[in-house]
Amino acid sequence: AQSVSQHNHHVILSEAASLELGCNYSYGGTVNLFWYVQYPGQHLQLLLKYFSGDPLVKGIKGFEAEFIKSKFSFNLRKPSVQWSDTAEYFCAVNKLAGGSYIPTFGRGTSLIVHP
Amino acid sequence: DAGITQSPRHKVTETGTPVTLRCHQTENHRYMYWYRQDPGHGLRLIHYSYGVKDTDKGEVSDGYSVSRSKTEDFLLTLESATSSQTSVYFCAISSGQNTEAFFGQGTRLTVV
Repeated sequence: AQSVSQHNHHVILSEAASLELGCNYSYGGTVNLFWYVQYPGQHLQLLLKYFSGDPLVKGIKGFEAEFIKSKFSFNLRKPSVQWSDTAEYFCAVNKLAGGSYIPTFGRGTSLIVHP
Repeated sequence: DAGITQSPRHKVTETGTPVTLRCHQTENHRYMYWYRQDPGHGLRLIHYSYGVKDTDKGEVSDGYSVSRSKTEDFLLTLESATSSQTSVYFCAISSGQNTEAFFGQGTRLTVV
């Protein structure tokens, strides 16, 4: 069963447009949630994370995400995108299996920002 | 960036040959993971390790084996490479305390 679902597979925006990428997870219990970014030709790196506390978390480069427990969602937002935000974005949850935390990823959203 | 090195970075191999990819870390993290990345599938876990000589299968483990004889090294072996194993392979590490993972630069493997 897919633990993390990302609704948008491809998003194309113009610079200065607002961004929201959807992420839902199907995992009971306490969850730690993450957004990773992969710039073209590079490895994944952490954008932001939620462990507990304030459900609105801020990450690098002006990104933020809101954890809504009742909706099992952790959507990523940015008020005004830049050309340099062109990348693939992955939502992830640490899934507990046999005593180990396994980073489990959604299928990713490819974002293209036109200048 | 976390100290993770994957080798080789690129490899072309023939169908039926064995291939070994290496992941080396200098962070002394307990957990190490191998993922493959394919268009439309995101990252899928192949195998992971939770300590020296302690490994377990992920969701796409068929045709792959791993070994971890030292904390810093995690090897992924394709026993007999097939074209379906053409992919980009990423190694990741974590402390295992339900924190974020850190990724290597990836290995692009082409099986012809």
